[in-house]
Amino acid sequence: AQSVAQPEDQVNVAEGNPLTVKCTYSVSGNPYLFWYVQYPNRGLQFLLKYITGDNLVKGSYGFEAEFNKSQTSFHLKKPSALVSDSALYFCAVRDKAAGNKLTFGGGTRVLVKP
Amino acid sequence: GAVVSQHPSWVICKSGTSVKIECRSLDFQATTMFWYRQFPKQSLMLMATSNEGSKATYEQGVEKDKFLINHASLTLSTLTVTSAHPEDSSFYICSAPWEYSSYNEQFFGPGTRLTVL
Repeated sequence: AQSVAQPEDQVNVAEGNPLTVKCTYSVSGNPYLFWYVQYPNRGLQFLLKYITGDNLVKGSYGFEAEFNKSQTSFHLKKPSALVSDSALYFCAVRDKAAGNKLTFGGGTRVLVKP
Repeated sequence: GAVVSQHPSWVICKSGTSVKIECRSLDFQATTMFWYRQFPKQSLMLMATSNEGSKATYEQGVEKDKFLINHASLTLSTLTVTSAHPEDSSFYICSAPWEYSSYNEQFFGPGTRLTVL
């Protein structure tokens, strides 16, 4: 079985400061890892993914994430947060050997204060 | 990237009525689509996998007779909430794996907010 944990329900950060949203995962095989962002009453927007290759993945809107196999983590980062980054962020995992099912973390609400 | 649409974007209905939500892949074919349910301030919970030409696969705890899924074509899946009750009020999101992605990247619809009075 695959699972994802986002230990923080909410992250508060001042505009211009670094933003980190934590994610750890558990799969039996090799993972595909994803980050999505959701704005109120909207569907999910794709930010970035890790499939294979470099552990540091760069995505949309200045976000990046680092795949750490030993710590089974895939934390999302942005060097300088914007007020417009305030949203709900989801980490998701898919076991390469388990078909197309995505398992989502509980979500982390990010609030960037001016 | 690929586009997935949902219709309607929101719907309000009376208790006891049925509501149909459509999910369409606009520029690609999808033999499989996924239906999720999201309660306020919570994560997405997979309800079922919709399979074109065959029965849907439901996750444990999801009532098959309550949430009817029909994958009528390679670009359309529908979710019908039968005899809806207030506890069925939720945000329903569908997704479809993109056939041209080597890892079956999923694209998500914008969601449908269902409110049952």
